[in-house]
Amino acid sequence: QVQLVQSGAEVKKPGASVKVSCKASGYTFTSYGISWVRQAPGQGLEWMGWISAYNGNTNYAQKLQGRVTMTTDTSTSTAYMELRSLRSDDTAVYYCAAVVGATLGDYWGQGTLVTVSS
Amino acid sequence: DIQMTQSPSSLSASVGDRVTITCRASQGIRNDLGWYQQKPGKAPKRLIYAASSLQSGVPSRFSGSGSGTEFTLTISSLQPEDFATYYCLQHNSYPTWTFGQGTKVEIK
Repeated sequence: QVQLVQSGAEVKKPGASVKVSCKASGYTFTSYGISWVRQAPGQGLEWMGWISAYNGNTNYAQKLQGRVTMTTDTSTSTAYMELRSLRSDDTAVYYCAAVVGATLGDYWGQGTLVTVSS
Repeated sequence: DIQMTQSPSSLSASVGDRVTITCRASQGIRNDLGWYQQKPGKAPKRLIYAASSLQSGVPSRFSGSGSGTEFTLTISSLQPEDFATYYCLQHNSYPTWTFGQGTKVEIK
């Protein structure tokens, strides 16, 4: 069965960077893209960006352009999301989700809490 | 960019009530919309895809309708396990997606 397993919680200081991983199993990794979605405490869902696991093409949300980089390692079936110059309002749970066709469907990671605090 | 306006932001309802949630797109998105349920501490779960198709395993009390700019999620008879937050998500602008702001369904 398809599974996406994310790395563990992180605590970072303002200005630092964080890199969250999302390891896929149960399917051919290059068949689906990966989107990243975040949710600040008590807030709604925010789409952050997408990467094609097939060719590495990316598309990022405009508000995160310049601070976010999404990559994949096909040898380990793992996607990564790096966010730089962290601010307190980047404190959130970060989710990866497999993109099947053009939709975010059944396959989500369990979420990774990133806390930005001095 | 396509904006999704979801309403209401919250509602209180009783078990057995009929509940309707609406999403409006800033431009036509055909039927490129899904509805998701999220419970605290959990990842979202898709209920409806292509605006009106029920995801496998989802109870038939959930239904979706609409096309173009106006979309509706209906729960025909609210059950205790349905108290959660619901989001619409458009993918017409793939590979860019937009969520609605969410609707929290609470117990009256």
